[in-house]
Amino acid sequence: AQRVTQPEKLLSVFKGAPVELKCNYSYSGSPELFWYVQYSRQRLQLLLRHISRESIKGFTADLNKGETSFHLKKPFAQEEDSAMYYCALYTGGFKTIFGAGTRLFVKA
Amino acid sequence: EAGVAQSPRYKIIEKRQSVAFWCNPISGHATLYWYQQILGQGPKLLIQFQNNGVVDDSQLPKDRFSAERLKGVDSTLKIQPAKLEDSAVYLCASSLDQDGSGNPTDTQYFGPGTRLTVL
Repeated sequence: AQRVTQPEKLLSVFKGAPVELKCNYSYSGSPELFWYVQYSRQRLQLLLRHISRESIKGFTADLNKGETSFHLKKPFAQEEDSAMYYCALYTGGFKTIFGAGTRLFVKA
Repeated sequence: EAGVAQSPRYKIIEKRQSVAFWCNPISGHATLYWYQQILGQGPKLLIQFQNNGVVDDSQLPKDRFSAERLKGVDSTLKIQPAKLEDSAVYLCASSLDQDGSGNPTDTQYFGPGTRLTVL
């Protein structure tokens, strides 16, 4: 079955600390993975996608097919990173499955 | 470019009443999605259109939910009759079929959502 799991509902870190938001997926085909972010009072928006292999706002994510993971990382968290983060799996046929989300809270 | 527009932003109805939501996607986006997001959960796809044709409606409760995209642009999602468990945020999103280089893309652009409360 196709599934995206984000094991942490809430992640709280201090400003300047490293942060890792976990995402695991279940899919038998070749996955395409995304991280979406929703800041307070804003709409859901794309943060990054694995095929772009880019760093956005200091965040990176590496696809690990062996561990079926796509964890989102940032070496030094900032207060403005506080938001809801969703991992999403694109299975082809224009179908995207979202995880339940992790709320990141960065404390001053 | 203008983003995805949705209306209304909020709606409160009683159970067994009907409600309709409207979505205007980004100009030129062929694919349109309706998601249901219940509090504490991620968005769940209800229906997906490619132009004015349905690509996937496997998770749409067809006994009470309906959606259309008659001219391949705007879309409406209707619930009739509503149940308490339909209380959620209904998100509309749109995407291009491919980016400017011809690569497939499923980067979705989301609207602000409609928060539905069923009493």
